[in-house]
Amino acid sequence: GESVGLHLPTLSVQEGDNSIINCAYSNSASDYFIWYKQESGKGPQFIIDIRSNMDKRQGQRVTVLLNKTVKHLSLQIAATQPGDSAVYFCAENRSGGYNKLIFGAGTRLAVHP
Amino acid sequence: EAGVAQSPRYKIIEKRQSVAFWCNPISGHATLYWYQQILGQGPKLLIQFQNNGVVDDSQLPKDRFSAERLKGVDSTLKIQPAKLEDSAVYLCASSLDLGSGLGRGDTEAFFGQGTRLTVV
Repeated sequence: GESVGLHLPTLSVQEGDNSIINCAYSNSASDYFIWYKQESGKGPQFIIDIRSNMDKRQGQRVTVLLNKTVKHLSLQIAATQPGDSAVYFCAENRSGGYNKLIFGAGTRLAVHP
Repeated sequence: EAGVAQSPRYKIIEKRQSVAFWCNPISGHATLYWYQQILGQGPKLLIQFQNNGVVDDSQLPKDRFSAERLKGVDSTLKIQPAKLEDSAVYLCASSLDLGSGLGRGDTEAFFGQGTRLTVV
């Protein structure tokens, strides 16, 4: 079946470095994508989103890139901090009468001092 | 603004027993989701309500799982009888969902802290 997945299960970075988390999706009909951050013992928390008619969107220290040609999504975190340590999920929205959020497997980001 | 409330936070039951989880979404949110998150995996959608109607339950194991959203507000998810493989965190989320609009204000899903279920 169609799914949203991630290339790397674990990413270790040094504090202050930039982090890049990747995600592949297979449903070309998906029109909206969201990155979520999940800390231990908590529910996923919205980070940033992007519509399919865009290829880049920037937030505070985070940037999402969308490449529809290869169905690839990435989350870039600038100057990674220890508080960024968490599991990151990309999710796709498949609209078609109603919105439906489908999550990928997740990448664990470990930030080392 | 109060967030999505879930209870209980933790539950341990023996296999073949029944269990129920409760969710109170953010006030005014039309859409309510129940997700199952097995350790090390992403959340898997079990059932989605739009107000008090089910719009998607394609991945809900209907022989043992049931859910309802009375009056389009609170929701309960029940498992009867539970199996060992049901051990997971059960997440409830809600979103405003103004029709089929896109964008954070319309579709952002706010999650509760989840209920961690252990079946022994």
